[in-house]
Amino acid sequence: GAVVSQHPSWVICKSGTSVKIECRSLDFQATTMFWYRQFPKQSLMLMATSNEGSKATYEQGVEKDKFLINHASLTLSTLTVTSAHPEDSSFYICSARAGGQSEKLFFGSGTQLSVL
Amino acid sequence: AQTVTQSQPEMSVQEAETVTLSCTYDTSESDYYLFWYKQPPSRQMILVIRQEAYKQQNATENRFSVNFQKAAKSFSLKISDSQLGDAAMYFCAYSNTGNQFYFGTGTSLTVIP
Repeated sequence: GAVVSQHPSWVICKSGTSVKIECRSLDFQATTMFWYRQFPKQSLMLMATSNEGSKATYEQGVEKDKFLINHASLTLSTLTVTSAHPEDSSFYICSARAGGQSEKLFFGSGTQLSVL
Repeated sequence: AQTVTQSQPEMSVQEAETVTLSCTYDTSESDYYLFWYKQPPSRQMILVIRQEAYKQQNATENRFSVNFQKAAKSFSLKISDSQLGDAAMYFCAYSNTGNQFYFGTGTSLTVIP
């Protein structure tokens, strides 16, 4: 199956700093990538949908100035948490949808963000 | 709006036995896809099984099978001959042709040796 690589897997940062998370599709071109947030023992909450070459579409309640998403190529999307605060601590997961397999979603391994 | 409901927060099964996880969804569309994803303690999301709504035949993948009832908007997952490695969170998901994925709240499955 298709592989989605997500880095870093775990990051600890000080409050007020920015953190960038990368999501790469390794063996396919991802026309669409999704970013999710997951709290312990809860479901995935969709934060935003990014399409290559265009602005991301954010879900209601998600601050687009705080969670910057860039999808500059068909294999890379990045999520930057700007001026992170402890309440931003969470597990972030990216996923990618292959153009030729539009009904399948491939997931990265996730990033645990801890803001001190 | 599409919603996915999993009414069983936790389930347990004896090793080698069979367990069924429930999922219902709400949609007004006729063309869509349904999925079951597994999330083990590693937290990597793994696709277990997929069903196209236009297919009447229930999907099967080895020990995993679904009972897809389109009229009732029900999509349950049956795990046969349960193994210890099946212990995980299971998420039911719905996807329409408009690029949207919706996940249920998950069912935590415990496999008892």
